[in-house]
Amino acid sequence: NAGVMQNPRHLVRRRGQEARLRCSPMKGHSHVYWYRQLPEEGLKFMVYLQKENIIDESGMPKERFSAEFPKEGPSILRIQQVVRGDSAAYFCASSGGLNSPLHFGNGTRLTVT
Amino acid sequence: KQEVTQIPAALSVPEGENLVLNCSFTDSAIYNLQWFRQDPGKGLTSLLLIQSSQREQTSGRLNASLDKSSGRSTLYIAASQPGDSATYLCAVSGGTSYGKLTFGQGTILTVHP
Repeated sequence: NAGVMQNPRHLVRRRGQEARLRCSPMKGHSHVYWYRQLPEEGLKFMVYLQKENIIDESGMPKERFSAEFPKEGPSILRIQQVVRGDSAAYFCASSGGLNSPLHFGNGTRLTVT
Repeated sequence: KQEVTQIPAALSVPEGENLVLNCSFTDSAIYNLQWFRQDPGKGLTSLLLIQSSQREQTSGRLNASLDKSSGRSTLYIAASQPGDSATYLCAVSGGTSYGKLTFGQGTILTVHP
């Protein structure tokens, strides 16, 4: 019974490149959330998705960031033209229902050089 | 806008002590409150979830209470062990979706032998 799987664990990108972060929710979970943890800051909500739908993207930066959760396959958080300020740990969480506990993955640590 | 504050920011105790971590939030209109632990370089592990209609939850040596009207929660850890050393995060769920959590900055707990 695998938990929330994120890959890669570590990702290094040069400024201007694209970063793709993947998240496979726990088996049976259809609600996926992305959070970002900047250095010396707390975790901040980014986006909430269900299969093929973005439910709440109020925490997403207006430009360069996008997320999807297709009918088949993992959820993807995509950051275009990365900048140094994007360096952070990105966590994915899933839940099985609207008022159920969130289960987090181990995160992807993005470093932009 | 919801704000979550955790006190103390750091705590160092000898093994065997009982301890209390505090969490306060500004907007009492929450769906639930969740306590997590985060180990260095790792993801978050859900410890306890308290629904807004509940007063407390217990799991092993952990007990969490919720006073929604005053905007406070406490996490009580009995007979602390070195393995309890981690960052403890409090998060409240509210607003437009249950999984949109607002996190506190965390309490860094060190339990020394």
